[in-house]
Amino acid sequence: RKEVEQDPGPFNVPEGATVAFNCTYSNSASQSFFWYRQDCRKEPKLLMSVYSSGNEDGRFTAQLNRASQYISLLIRDSKLSDSATYLCVVNLLPRITGGGNKLTFGTGTQLKVEL
Amino acid sequence: NAGVTQTPKFRILKIGQSMTLQCTQDMNHNYMYWYRQDPGMGLKLIYYSVGAGITDKGEVPNGYNVSRSTTEDFPLRLELAAPSQTSVYFCASSYTGIRSPGRGSPQHFGDGTRLSIL
Repeated sequence: RKEVEQDPGPFNVPEGATVAFNCTYSNSASQSFFWYRQDCRKEPKLLMSVYSSGNEDGRFTAQLNRASQYISLLIRDSKLSDSATYLCVVNLLPRITGGGNKLTFGTGTQLKVEL
Repeated sequence: NAGVTQTPKFRILKIGQSMTLQCTQDMNHNYMYWYRQDPGMGLKLIYYSVGAGITDKGEVPNGYNVSRSTTEDFPLRLELAAPSQTSVYFCASSYTGIRSPGRGSPQHFGDGTRLSIL
């Protein structure tokens, strides 16, 4: 089983639609969670962190379910500019301080927003 | 504010050649990382560093070497280039450690080096 799994998509949605992505992670000791966005042939960019209580940033809402080990991202009122690949990212904290803050990236879910 | 800067942006190498990918950051981050991303795949960690003078292997270190003589710079070296190393390479940096439980530090990426080995 992969450490972080995502549906690769693509998700093709009309402008204005609401779309949701899910991501599952295998290690229950994972501590921190993020959604990154990656445009074609560009570097990943942090979209938002995911907090235990859930959090919202404008049209984007992130949720964490530790019991089921999944993370979700909801995008409301999709824009053409939202077209990108969305990466689910998990941090397994080191047992020893200073172990590197290593992140594990999912392979991403591709979103295409169409007119 | 430059953030994380990588050079070169593109490079073509012949099999067996060597080269160094440069990475520098101006955010005073202690942690730095090198990833590779193959087409349609996720990022794989090659090496990382928690501070000047300290480096450690990631998931796919074979064929690469790194050094960290300063906080700002984290070069990645390919000694004997092989076609399997054709990829996009990303350097990243992050704040040291964890701010609070469940609030890990995100990583900031450079815009990548596209490397082809023929």
